[in-house]
Amino acid sequence: KAGVTQTPRYLIKTRGQQVTLSCSPISGHRSVSWYQQTPGQGLQFLFEYFSETQRNKGNFPGRFSGRQFSNSRSEMNVSTLELGDSALYLCASSLLSVQTGLGVGYTFGSGTRLTVV
Amino acid sequence: GEDVEQSLFLSVREGDSSVINCTYTDSSSTYLYWYKQEPGAGLQLLTYIFSNMDMKQDQRLTVLLNKKDKHLSLRIADTQTGDSAIYFCAESRLEYGNKLVFGAGTILRVKS
Repeated sequence: KAGVTQTPRYLIKTRGQQVTLSCSPISGHRSVSWYQQTPGQGLQFLFEYFSETQRNKGNFPGRFSGRQFSNSRSEMNVSTLELGDSALYLCASSLLSVQTGLGVGYTFGSGTRLTVV
Repeated sequence: GEDVEQSLFLSVREGDSSVINCTYTDSSSTYLYWYKQEPGAGLQLLTYIFSNMDMKQDQRLTVLLNKKDKHLSLRIADTQTGDSAIYFCAESRLEYGNKLVFGAGTILRVKS
């Protein structure tokens, strides 16, 4: 069974540009969430999608956005890039527990390392 | 609050057991996760436990959950040099919405 696939693995962008990152979840996983990892802030939640709907959003500016397609694939977009957006962006997919409604067994991709210069 | 706390560093000798600790916030409905991250890589799911369980064992890994003290631990038996990595504890709670709240990570160094 294929894991979570993130593309591209590495990106270098200039301040002010925008970027789109892609995530393909494990087959059958309909929940996709995104996280930002930096040395200073650690792992921070960006947003979560389920059935093409954003259900939860972290404390990030509106420059960070995302979407999910009918096949559960997801993209995130960052506009007007700043130096501080340099980070490892991780996508996770999960099943949902019928009992609790919580995601179960979050599986992460290898991430996209974004460098803003 | 949303804090999940971990000790920052652990050093063990090859062949010994490692115990990585984590404290989490209280909830009646929680999944708790352990992830491993090697340099330059994403997060590898090691194991997870639901809060109505006390223990879960999977090969060399044993997870212990003390709900009273809100304490979670990951024991790695017969630690190998390939276990050197950063280990993250994470909590998922319905009150958070469907997201994981991570600790800062514990760096495990295995000396041969």
